[in-house]
Amino acid sequence: QKEVEQNSGPLSVPEGAIASLNCTYSDRGSQSFFWYRQYSGKSPELIMFIYSNGDKEDGRFTAQLNKASQYVSLLIRDSQPSDSATYLCAVTNDYKLSFGAGTTVTVRA
Amino acid sequence: KAGVTQTPRYLIKTRGQQVTLSCSPISGHRSVSWYQQTPGQGLQFLFEYFSETQRNKGNFPGRFSGRQFSNSRSEMNVSTLELGDSALYLCASSLADSPGTGELFFGEGSRLTVL
Repeated sequence: QKEVEQNSGPLSVPEGAIASLNCTYSDRGSQSFFWYRQYSGKSPELIMFIYSNGDKEDGRFTAQLNKASQYVSLLIRDSQPSDSATYLCAVTNDYKLSFGAGTTVTVRA
Repeated sequence: KAGVTQTPRYLIKTRGQQVTLSCSPISGHRSVSWYQQTPGQGLQFLFEYFSETQRNKGNFPGRFSGRQFSNSRSEMNVSTLELGDSALYLCASSLADSPGTGELFFGEGSRLTVL
């Protein structure tokens, strides 16, 4: 079982719609959860982090964490063409950050 | 403020050779970690250093090694290169003492091609 699993995608959404990305993790002791965005040919950049159960909102992005279900998600509201990228879920434990394979999102104009 | 700098950006090697990649973290960052990114396996953790000490290592063979210097700069070395080592190698630095509590800033990566 992979440590971090994401819905494989690709995910295509129309401009202005909500993109929903899901991630599950295997280690119940995981403590911190991150969402990175990676544009093609570029390095990952952090867009959200969440440590506690519940929702965390930052602009058009909302991260949701449910530790009991070992589940973390990212919602992108009012999707824009500039949101087209690969989104990586990452989970920390013991000084390492484990990444999911990523979900590629394409926003159609 | 300068970002994470990785050198070289691109390199081509042949099987059996060895390679050394360099990473200069953001000034003041003492944690440096390395990742391998391939289309098939995604981003995989190699190792993490803090104040010249390796705190964790991923599931890679012993051919992969690294070190960190007193100025926080880090190098990783891959010996006896194999075709499967072709990948983008990403270095990331963090201000936080524990990588679980701080943002990782990634460099642009070193793209290694093994022929």
